[in-house]
Amino acid sequence: AQSVTQLGSHVSVSEGALVLLRCNYSSSVPPYLFWYVQYPNQGLQLLLKYTSAATLVKGINGFEAEFKKSETSFHLTKPSAHMSDAAEYFCAVSDFSGYALNFGKGTSLLVTP
Amino acid sequence: DSGVTQTPKHLITATGQRVTLRCSPRSGDLSVYWYQQSLDQGLQFLIQYYNGEERAKGNILERFSAQQFPDLHSELNLSSLELGDSALYFCASSPAAHRGGEQYFGPGTRLTVT
Repeated sequence: AQSVTQLGSHVSVSEGALVLLRCNYSSSVPPYLFWYVQYPNQGLQLLLKYTSAATLVKGINGFEAEFKKSETSFHLTKPSAHMSDAAEYFCAVSDFSGYALNFGKGTSLLVTP
Repeated sequence: DSGVTQTPKHLITATGQRVTLRCSPRSGDLSVYWYQQSLDQGLQFLIQYYNGEERAKGNILERFSAQQFPDLHSELNLSSLELGDSALYFCASSPAAHRGGEQYFGPGTRLTVT
């Protein structure tokens, strides 16, 4: 089965600092990878997805992620954190079974003034 | 707003009871997915329907069932409820069912079993 592992359940950054959220995948075939964000008491919103067209993927709200096959990674970055970025971030991989998403355990991002 | 609606937003019920959660997908989306989010298990895929037919099953208990109706809305039925079933239940939809397809999530139904 396809799976992802998110390193760090909590990440804290200062406002204006670089955001780096880590995700490693396990897949026997080229994966389809996603990052979703969940704000408190809300559903999940798609930030970006990788489907092999380009290794650097740009998403909404200034986020981007780079697919690195050699490192089996798909880390999410943002050059400058805003207070409004505080949320839970989930990395996910598309499975073969009905193409459902297999999610990581999530990383809670805290942005301090 | 993703365009996916879920009702009710909150549900409080007792152990042993049965509840039904409802999901309306985005206009035109044929595929519906149900996920459960809990503190100990994280986000887990339960079941998927495509144009009225069951397409895939994940970690869904036998006490749980779902269906998708001709108008494409879906219902998730949870019976003989246990305390451990307390969780946030999400519905997601997508236009088709193919690997790499984007899924759009509803706001969720928070179920509390007492």
